[in-house]
This record gives sequence, structure tokens and C-alpha cells, in this order.
Amino acid sequence: EAGVAQSPRYKIIEKRQSVAFWCNPISGHATLYWYQQILGQGPKLLIQFQNNGVVDDSQLPKDRFSAERLKGVDSTLKIQPAKLEDSAVYLCASSHDRGAGELFFGEGSRLTVL
Amino acid sequence: AQKVTQAQTEISVVEKEDVTLDCVYETRDTTYYLFWYKQPPSGELVFLIRRNSFDEQNEISGRYSWNFQKSTSSFNFTITASQVVDSAVYFCALSVRRNTPLVFGKGTRLSVIA
Repeated sequence: EAGVAQSPRYKIIEKRQSVAFWCNPISGHATLYWYQQILGQGPKLLIQFQNNGVVDDSQLPKDRFSAERLKGVDSTLKIQPAKLEDSAVYLCASSHDRGAGELFFGEGSRLTVL
Repeated sequence: AQKVTQAQTEISVVEKEDVTLDCVYETRDTTYYLFWYKQPPSGELVFLIRRNSFDEQNEISGRYSWNFQKSTSSFNFTITASQVVDSAVYFCALSVRRNTPLVFGKGTRLSVIA
């Protein structure tokens, strides 16, 4: 079974530029999450989707971050404009509705904002 | 609100030593789920175990064991006879319903020295 796929693995941009990250969850997983992991910290939830609907985006900085999951499968997370403090690893995870609740994570997209 | 505390930031042990990683959680919910994840240098978070609040039985899986104590709100993780491949950051996490976001601790970086 293929795991959660993310791209790009690495991205370096200058502040005020924009960036987009892509995630393809495990097949059949209805729930998709985007987490932000700043160096030395645990992952922090940005947004949760159930199929193509948003379940929780309370911690998403909506002035600069946006995410979509149009067809209920893959998802895109966008940052525009980026700030220095957005430097982090962006982790995508998915889970099965009838599973035991564990999240399956991708390898992450590491963003460096200069 | 839920909170997970991993007081140990970094631990260093010599190969074949036993090591325990501490996790203390806070929640007002009577039903909740506890998790441990491993994050090797590659960056992907790897699921290790899930425990629900009604199951206080300790679990052993090979060299790994987990001690869940509701009385002290702790869910500690022990690696017996540690190996260099165990070197990683380990995260404890909590959720209060299935398919809801996990709240992560800050992680414990384990270094196993040959």
C-alpha cells in the first residue's frame, strides 16, 4: 500500500514570495490533515479535512495560509506571502474513518524562508 | 483543552542500555486516545502504538514496552537493549475522539551511541 505522498520535499523562498505544497493521502482515507512542525517542536495542526469539507481550521493563519481538497483526495496548502517565521516542515497526514485513529504521515515538505 | 508534556528534551544512552521516555497528558475528557510516534532523521512520523483510556494494560512489542497509568496521567515508553537504529525523536500525542487531530508533545530526542 502506498503511503502519504508529499511534494516538494524542500523549498527555499524569500519572504513575501508564495509557495504551494501538495499531498496525496493513502487511498481510501477520508480524513486529511496538514501540520506545521517548527524546528525543535512537535507538530501543530493547521487544518483538517473530512472528504472535501473543512472540519477544523481554527489554527490556520487565514491571512496568509490557504488549503483546499477539491475532489476529496489530494490537497494543496498555499502560503502567500511567506514570512520568516513560516520556516518549518509541513506534514500531511491521513487516517481511515474505520481505523483505530492513528494518523499516517508523509515525509514532509521543508520550507526555508530567507 | 488537551496538553501533552514530554519533559525530557534530549536523552543520550550507550547501546544496549534500557531507556524510558516520559509522557504526561492533560485532558478533561473521560474518553481519549494516546499515541507514540517515532521521527527518524528522514522526517516521516512513524506510528508506534495507540492506547485508549479504557485500556490500562501495559503492552510489550519486542524491545518496546509502554506503561499507561491513569492515576498519574502518564504514558511512558521504554526501549530495552537500545540500538543505534533507535536514535530518533519520539513524540507522545493525545486525541479525544477517533479521527480528530492529535495534540503532540514537544518530543524527546534519543541518541543511542555505539
